Amino acid sequence: DAGVTQSPTHLIKTRGQQVTLRCSPKSGHDTVSWYQQALGQGPQFIFQYYEEEERQRGNFPDRFSGHQFPNYSSELNVNALLLGDSALYLCASSLLGPGYGYTFGSGTRLTVV
Amino acid sequence: GQQLNQSPQSMFIQEGEDVSMNCTSSSIFNTWLWYKQDPGEGPVLLIALYKAGELTSNGRLTAQFGITRKDSFLNISASIPSDVGIYFCAGQFNTGNQFYFGTGTSLTVIP
Repeated sequence: DAGVTQSPTHLIKTRGQQVTLRCSPKSGHDTVSWYQQALGQGPQFIFQYYEEEERQRGNFPDRFSGHQFPNYSSELNVNALLLGDSALYLCASSLLGPGYGYTFGSGTRLTVV
Repeated sequence: GQQLNQSPQSMFIQEGEDVSMNCTSSSIFNTWLWYKQDPGEGPVLLIALYKAGELTSNGRLTAQFGITRKDSFLNISASIPSDVGIYFCAGQFNTGNQFYFGTGTSLTVIP
């Protein structure tokens, strides 16, 4: 049973560029959340998708956008990249509702130069 | 946003020793989770707590949901080298599904 898979694993982009990160949730999970983890910090919530709609959003600018597909997979898009966007981007899947823990993927390491 | 503070920030212990760490919040949570993260990997769920006062074990790990619902504790008994990593707490309100993560406790086990 595959867990959460993310691609690519590593990515280097230039300031101002745009990037798309991809996530396939664990089998049976219907909710995908994205987190940004800066070096030495805990994960910070970006947004959550359920039934192809954004349900919740953290304190991130609208340069960060996402999408969920009918098969529950998801994309995270970041436009106009800044140096400060360099981080590990984690995708987590779960079932909707309080009380369900996340299953995380291994993340995409984004470096903006 | 919510601030979850973990202490200690880092620990260096001898193999075989017991470990205790905690997480405190200014807000009341209805779910507490504990995760472990190895370098270059995503966090892995260790223990989930759903009720104030609950004490739950997973092998050598034991976690407790604080009575005030503003804190949680994780203990590791008889530490081994593979316990090395960063431990994160995470709290969730009842009304939403977002988890708020702590600042992490870095554990080093000296053989």
